[in-house]
Amino acid sequence: EDKVVQSPLSLVVHEGDTVTLNCSYEVTNFRSLLWYKQEKKAPTFLFMLTSSGIEKKSGRLSSILDKKELFSILNITATQTGDSAVYLCAVRIQGAQKLVFGQGTRLTINP
Amino acid sequence: DSGVTQTPKHLITATGQRVTLRCSPRSGDLSVYWYQQSLDQGLQFLIQYYNGEERAKGNILERFSAQQFPDLHSELNLSSLELGDSALYFCASSVGEETQYFGPGTRLLVL
Repeated sequence: EDKVVQSPLSLVVHEGDTVTLNCSYEVTNFRSLLWYKQEKKAPTFLFMLTSSGIEKKSGRLSSILDKKELFSILNITATQTGDSAVYLCAVRIQGAQKLVFGQGTRLTINP
Repeated sequence: DSGVTQTPKHLITATGQRVTLRCSPRSGDLSVYWYQQSLDQGLQFLIQYYNGEERAKGNILERFSAQQFPDLHSELNLSSLELGDSALYFCASSVGEETQYFGPGTRLLVL
């Protein structure tokens, strides 16, 4: 069964800290890995990763994929209270149409 | 704002009833996906339509059905509702089969 596991499940840090969120996967036929940020309602797209070792960056957020070890990390530097959200990792299977989601990491940034 | 719209935002109904959730994809997107998000299950893929035809099925109950119309909007029909159907229902769309953009969701409460 295809599985995506995120850790930690919950993380509370102070504003200005750097955080690393983890996503590991076991799937039959990997195609791509996506990161989403979910605040109050809809997940909003952050990154899509398909190749190992190539860092994707957007402002203070960055992500990288390791296809050999089957994991990805999402880094957030100089965190702000607006970064508080649930971060979801999802894997797309080759040939399949669905995304398999992890359970999410709830990140809380305290001022 | 992802460009995906969903109505209604909230829906409260009783067990045994039937409801219809509506989704309009982003302009130009041919694929529509439906997901269910409950507290204990996380985001679960239900079904996908591509240009009016069913493309993939996930963990969708027989009491649930969906369709995509010629104007590409989609409807998810939930019947014989049970308490356990209470959840957030998301629609997502994509132009091809890669990044999916999520709508704001419909929160369904079955009493």
